[in-house]
Amino acid sequence: DIVMTQTPLSLSVTPGQPASISCKSSQSLLHSDGKTYLYWYLQKPGQPPQLLIYEVSNRFSGVPDRFSGSGSGTDFTLKISRVEAEDVGVYYCMQSIQLPYTFGQGTKLEIK
Amino acid sequence: QVQLVQSGAEVKKPGSSVKVSCKASGGTFSSYAISWVRQAPGQGLEWMGRIIPIFGIANYAQKFQGRVTITADKSTSTAYMELSSLRSEDTAVYYCARMAMTTVPQDAFDIWGQGTMVTVSS
Repeated sequence: DIVMTQTPLSLSVTPGQPASISCKSSQSLLHSDGKTYLYWYLQKPGQPPQLLIYEVSNRFSGVPDRFSGSGSGTDFTLKISRVEAEDVGVYYCMQSIQLPYTFGQGTKLEIK
Repeated sequence: QVQLVQSGAEVKKPGSSVKVSCKASGGTFSSYAISWVRQAPGQGLEWMGRIIPIFGIANYAQKFQGRVTITADKSTSTAYMELSSLRSEDTAVYYCARMAMTTVPQDAFDIWGQGTMVTVSS
């Protein structure tokens, strides 16, 4: 199974300041079809996860442009340019290049 | 707008089984796979398995092989997840999630059910 490792596991950020989360996979997520199967989700308190970023860097419909994703191969980053109060929750990276799909441990973002 | 609507909370005895449903409201399962992901209290997300309804093919995580059965009824656009031989460690919220196979965003869980709490207690 592909192991997804996120750092840090928790973040405390002042509103308006940036935040960054790292995700590393134990195997390359670049497929022979040219796509990289790395996704980011946000789970707000009491809610199911919601898709933020697909294929490393594409924002899903309705996701604010303060969210951005980057990376390649086995190293990926989610950045929030200016954190807002509504961004609190747990962020997960996930790979879907091979079964079983696996998630990172999650990074909890709180507001200072 | 398609929604995935799951069945209600369940309380089960150790050793019994639970079956959770997930109905696509406002749409169908065509061209999608449905996965089941669980989350134990205070823990992260764990993929259990998936089904591709148009093919009727299911895949399971090794951890749950032999204990989980995922099925789908195309006529009602409903997927089911049955977990047997329940133990206290199976206490969790169980989510269904849709993954597109041919449309963007492909291979991402773009729609999730609201979650079903399953409590296993004697």
